[in-house]
Amino acid sequence: GEDVEQSLFLSVREGDSSVINCTYTDSSSTYLYWYKQEPGAGLQLLTYIFSNMDMKQDQRLTVLLNKKDKHLSLRIADTQTGDSAIYFCAETSGSGYSTLTFGKGTMLLVSP
Amino acid sequence: DVKVTQSSRYLVKRTGEKVFLECVQDMDHENMFWYRQDPGLGLRLIYFSYDVKMKEKGDIPEGYSVSREKKERFSLILESASTNQTSMYLCASSPSPPGQEQFFGPGTRLTVL
Repeated sequence: GEDVEQSLFLSVREGDSSVINCTYTDSSSTYLYWYKQEPGAGLQLLTYIFSNMDMKQDQRLTVLLNKKDKHLSLRIADTQTGDSAIYFCAETSGSGYSTLTFGKGTMLLVSP
Repeated sequence: DVKVTQSSRYLVKRTGEKVFLECVQDMDHENMFWYRQDPGLGLRLIYFSYDVKMKEKGDIPEGYSVSREKKERFSLILESASTNQTSMYLCASSPSPPGQEQFFGPGTRLTVL
């Protein structure tokens, strides 16, 4: 079945780069997403990548996709304390409906 | 600005009560979703709807039902609340076709005593 795996916790210092990793299983996924959830809030889309792309860059965010290994990563450059949040990786499901399969989320803690 | 709103941010109910969680979106989206979020388990899909009066079970539908009488509104119903339904409930919507971004509401934290 479909499954999305993420490490649960990452701690970095302010100004460092953060790399959050994700593995997925559905090779037919057309879109892969990164969502951010700040404390007490809903999820907000950070960025996404089409399955036919290897990389996407958006200001401080870089997404890398390795389709052979079904591995997705999110790199945040110059990480700030405001980046502290839970980050979810998600893939489109193969069901034909508009459902997404989410990972369990990676809590990023940025210390000054 | 696109918006998904949920009727309550915090809710406290007693075991056995019937609970209604309401979600409204103003983006004319076809698809709407209900998730619950628990520590260490991430988001789990309870039910979704791809059209008015249509509903599909997600991964954990047991103990829940839904209603979609109007396109903009999707209700989650707990017929007889139990303590193991204490959780954060998140509503989302997305346009067709499949694979589009889902827009989330702020969540309702439900406590069942």
